[in-house]
Amino acid sequence: DMKVTQMPRYLIKRMGENVLLECGQDMSHETMYWYRQDPGLGLQLIYISYDVDSNSEGDIPKGYRVSRKKREHFSLILDSAKTNQTSVYFCASSSWDTANTEVFFGKGTRLTVV
Amino acid sequence: KTQVEQSPQSLVVRQGENCVLQCNYSVTPDNHLRWFKQDTGKGLVSLTVLVDQKDKTSNGRYSATLDKDAKHSTLHITATLLDDTATYICVVGDRGSALGRLHFGAGTQLIVIP
Repeated sequence: DMKVTQMPRYLIKRMGENVLLECGQDMSHETMYWYRQDPGLGLQLIYISYDVDSNSEGDIPKGYRVSRKKREHFSLILDSAKTNQTSVYFCASSSWDTANTEVFFGKGTRLTVV
Repeated sequence: KTQVEQSPQSLVVRQGENCVLQCNYSVTPDNHLRWFKQDTGKGLVSLTVLVDQKDKTSNGRYSATLDKDAKHSTLHITATLLDDTATYICVVGDRGSALGRLHFGAGTQLIVIP
C-alpha cells in the first residue's frame, strides 16, 4: 500500500513553542519534501531530502529545520513558532525520476499558531 | 513572481457537464507537467503527467494537453460527477529528477452541483 502518512493532522500551538511535524512513507523513496500551502498561493517548498542526512533548503527554509535519520521518516521542526507559520503543511515523497514516476502527498497537517 | 497561473480561479458546473481548466506557465526549462486533484482537507493526488513537446493524455473522464511552445496546458473533465468537486492544481517540473523544482499553481476550485 503506497502511502505517505502525516502526524498530527491538526495542531494548535502558542507563539514561541516548539513544533514537531512527522511524516512517514512506505515506498522506500529516496526523496522526501516538506511544503506549506497558504490560501491563494501554490505550494511552497520548505526543505527537500535526497536521502538519510542529505537535506537541502527549499525556497522558504527560514524558521524551519528538518531531520531525516531513516529513509522512511522525515520530520519538520519549528523552533519557537511564529503566527505567520500558521499554514497547512504537506509532506511528499518520490523516487529520483520525478517525470516518470508518481509524487505521493500526505493528507497534510493544519498548524495554527496563536 | 508566480510562474504557474491557473484559470479560472473557480468554476461551478452542473453534474454531467464538461469543463476545461487552463494552466499557463513561464517555468524554464519545462521538463514535465502534472495535474493533481486535491479534495477539501486532503492531500494532492496525481491525475496525469505530460512530458512531450506537444502531448496528450487520457485517464478515464480526465484528459489533458500540453503545448510547450505556448507553455500552456489544459485539463478536460467530461461528464462531471459530484465527486469531481475539488481543487485542481497544475505543477510544472523544471527537471526530470529530484534535483529539479516543482512549481505549483494556486489551483482551480471546481464545484459540481446537482
